[in-house]
Amino acid sequence: QKEVEQDPGPLSVPEGAIVSLNCTYSNSAFQYFMWYRQYSRKGPELLMYTYSSGNKEDGRFTAQVDKSSKYISLFIRDSQPSDSATYLCAMSLYNFNKFYFGSGTKLNVKP
Amino acid sequence: DVKVTQSSRYLVKRTGEKVFLECVQDMDHENMFWYRQDPGLGLRLIYFSYDVKMKEKGDIPEGYSVSREKKERFSLILESASTNQTSMYLCASSLDGMNTEAFFGQGTRLTVV
Repeated sequence: QKEVEQDPGPLSVPEGAIVSLNCTYSNSAFQYFMWYRQYSRKGPELLMYTYSSGNKEDGRFTAQVDKSSKYISLFIRDSQPSDSATYLCAMSLYNFNKFYFGSGTKLNVKP
Repeated sequence: DVKVTQSSRYLVKRTGEKVFLECVQDMDHENMFWYRQDPGLGLRLIYFSYDVKMKEKGDIPEGYSVSREKKERFSLILESASTNQTSMYLCASSLDGMNTEAFFGQGTRLTVV
């Protein structure tokens, strides 16, 4: 069983839709939870991170962590064509010397 | 601006060749990583280094080795390239053990024929 599972998509939505991206994980020791965005032919870049359970909001993006269910989500409100990318969830233990990535969900926002 | 630079965007090598992938960061980061990215498998850690001359195996180190002689440079070596090592290779760095963010290079797409 993979430590981090992520639905690969692709996910296609109309502009303005609310997007929900999700990951599940098996290691209850994970403490830090991150979302990376990767545009085509580029390296991933950090979008948001959260520590432990709860919500974190940044503009149109909300990251949610439910440690009891081992489930994390990224919500995108008022999605834009520029949000079209692959979104990777990532997790780490207390020391960040190793990041565990999901396989990525490809999102396409249609104008 | 933060920068992780990989020496090549695209490489084509023959089976059995020794291949060097170079990565340089200009942020004085302690940690450096090499990942490979394959469709459906996501990013898999090959090796990482938390200090000069220090290295640790990741999840898939077989067929690879690394070198970190200077803090800013982390090299990935394919000792004898094989077709199953055709992949996108991503280098990343992070400040230290208390910092969440890993900064990635643009990737090297390696094809072994």
